[in-house]
Amino acid sequence: QVQLVESGGGVVQPGRSLRLSCTASGFTFSSFGMNWVRQAPGKELEWVAVIAYDGSQQWYADSVRGRFTISRDNYENTLSLQMNSLRAEDTAVYYCVKSAAGSFDYWGQGTLVTVSS
Amino acid sequence: DVVMTQSPLSLPVTLGQPASISCRSSQSLVYSDGNTYLNWFHQRPGQSPRRLIYKVSNRDSGVPDRFSGSGSGTDFTLKISRVAAEDIGVFYCMQGTHWPPYTFGQGTKLEI
Repeated sequence: QVQLVESGGGVVQPGRSLRLSCTASGFTFSSFGMNWVRQAPGKELEWVAVIAYDGSQQWYADSVRGRFTISRDNYENTLSLQMNSLRAEDTAVYYCVKSAAGSFDYWGQGTLVTVSS
Repeated sequence: DVVMTQSPLSLPVTLGQPASISCRSSQSLVYSDGNTYLNWFHQRPGQSPRRLIYKVSNRDSGVPDRFSGSGSGTDFTLKISRVAAEDIGVFYCMQGTHWPPYTFGQGTKLEI
């Protein structure tokens, strides 16, 4: 079955960097776009970034463009999110999410990122 | 960006009774391929979201048939024919037609 397991969350000071990872299994990773979606405490879901199946294209939410970079390794079946210049408003649970034609069909369990001094 | 507006934001329900959630988009969600990429997700407390419905009315595998989706253009509805205890949580609509960005509704909290 499809599994998406995130890691790398933690507490980080404002302005610092953090890198999240997601290990995928149970499907042909190299055939699907992948996303990061976040959820601030008690708030709604916010899409963050998507990367094409082959890594050739990436798209970002305005709130993170220029600070976050999404990447993937189709040999290791991993998705990453490099987060630089972190702000308090980036505090959230970050989910690794599999794309499916105009939709998101599988979600990981999430990893919590807390940006605080 | 497409704005997704859900109502109500809080929905008190009685077990065994029906419930309905509305989702409206700021522009038509019909894509050039003829499909309408409107999805519904359910998030139980402390859990990740789970997709229930895709392309307006298609239920995911394992989703009880008491859940149904309908609508077209800019107006969509998720209906629960008989609310069960495991339905508590927050329901989100999401559009995948006009991206980036993908956009979600604010969420509707189902309370029993």
